[in-house]
Amino acid sequence: QLQLQESGPGLMKPSQTLSLTCTVSGGSISSAGYYWSWIRQHPGKGLEWIGYIYFSGNTHYNPSLKSRVTMSVDTSKNQFSLKVKSVTAADTAVYYCVGGSSGYDVFDSWGQGTLVSVSS
Amino acid sequence: QSALTQPASVSGSPGQSVTISCTGTSGPFGSYILVSWYQQHPGKAPTLILYDDSQRPSGVSNRFSGSKSGSTASLTISGLQAEDEADYYCCSYVASITFPVVFGGGTKLTVL
Repeated sequence: QLQLQESGPGLMKPSQTLSLTCTVSGGSISSAGYYWSWIRQHPGKGLEWIGYIYFSGNTHYNPSLKSRVTMSVDTSKNQFSLKVKSVTAADTAVYYCVGGSSGYDVFDSWGQGTLVSVSS
Repeated sequence: QSALTQPASVSGSPGQSVTISCTGTSGPFGSYILVSWYQQHPGKAPTLILYDDSQRPSGVSNRFSGSKSGSTASLTISGLQAEDEADYYCCSYVASITFPVVFGGGTKLTVL
């Protein structure tokens, strides 16, 4: 059973770069066929897919966020990461790291989520 | 961007069945390849309950079933239980140049 755990700052100021890391346990991040994604949820709102990274480093981002998002993977630490630059209040959300083994659009293992608030 | 439209809320009494729809607004559902469904209880992370339109992951109750017809996918929950009260989201990816993943807006299920 995969377990995922997000880590990162809970409070940020506008224009800063958000950095989150997801630590995967109970399995290898290098497992073939697994896609590692970030999904966020604005307070009281629905889910928004940010993008995914494969263990090889291949990425695919939501076109609406692509200009500000970078994902990376560290197979030696069994971690993958998200950076979002130039954050604004609109980036305030719960950020989930997620694993999927049935395609990049199926999310079967979720972290507990971490709230990131952007405020001056 | 293309969207998946769900009803904001549905309700049902214990033991009844309810169906939640998910309609692809960019055109026929042929633009959306396969649909997955997620359940989210308040303050918790979502969990996968159906994928590939109608497949249940191991451990998910067979009270949850899925189907798709034309531009609409559906999640049916039979034998409603109090624990089914939650938000439900459909999800798919769009067969376009960028192949983004999109979620429906979510449906709040109330068990009366």
